[in-house]
Amino acid sequence: GAVVSQHPSWVICKSGTSVKIECRSLDFQATTMFWYRQFPKQSLMLMATSNEGSKATYEQGVEKDKFLINHASLTLSTLTVTSAHPEDSSFYICSAKTGARQHFGDGTRLSIL
Amino acid sequence: GENVEQHPSTLSVQEGDSAVIKCTYSDSASNYFPWYKQELGKGPQLIIDIRSNVGEKKDQRIAVTLNKTAKHFSLHITETQPEDSAVYFCAASIQAGNQFYFGTGTSLTVIP
Repeated sequence: GAVVSQHPSWVICKSGTSVKIECRSLDFQATTMFWYRQFPKQSLMLMATSNEGSKATYEQGVEKDKFLINHASLTLSTLTVTSAHPEDSSFYICSAKTGARQHFGDGTRLSIL
Repeated sequence: GENVEQHPSTLSVQEGDSAVIKCTYSDSASNYFPWYKQELGKGPQLIIDIRSNVGEKKDQRIAVTLNKTAKHFSLHITETQPEDSAVYFCAASIQAGNQFYFGTGTSLTVIP
């Protein structure tokens, strides 16, 4: 139980394009989902908290106009990286909360050329 | 805010030996402590968690201990196997809240 699916797992795109990443809770409903960014050999850095039906809460230093988050249903949150540039290349991971627990997707490797 | 420290950053053990990873936290209000295993190229997987009303929890070869007074908790893996090789993260949070505070990770290598 508590499976979180994240798509795509890997995306390569040109600088200036926008990329959408989907995060779905497959067997439970999640009022709250989270988006993290992880640099090589580092811990998870929380980018934003996504609440179903309301605006996301962004961590300090995260540009909300660049990283658009939508949580339109209890099982789906999306992260759109707008006008992506090489410095946005990273491993993005979502999680969904059920009770006290967070369950993570398998991440999206984003490479911007 | 909460500060979670994790040690060691790397750990190598012989197959069959035990591995121990330790974390400390600073906020006495934290009452939920999960441990995650992250394999290369994958997301973190919850392997065990403990709440502050419990001192120890076991699940087969994995156990977690919590010392609320000293504000530290530890992950114990017994009879280690090569497939235990991964990066392990501890975290602390307040159950009613959302924020998870993660440790910096421990890269465990089990040598066959």
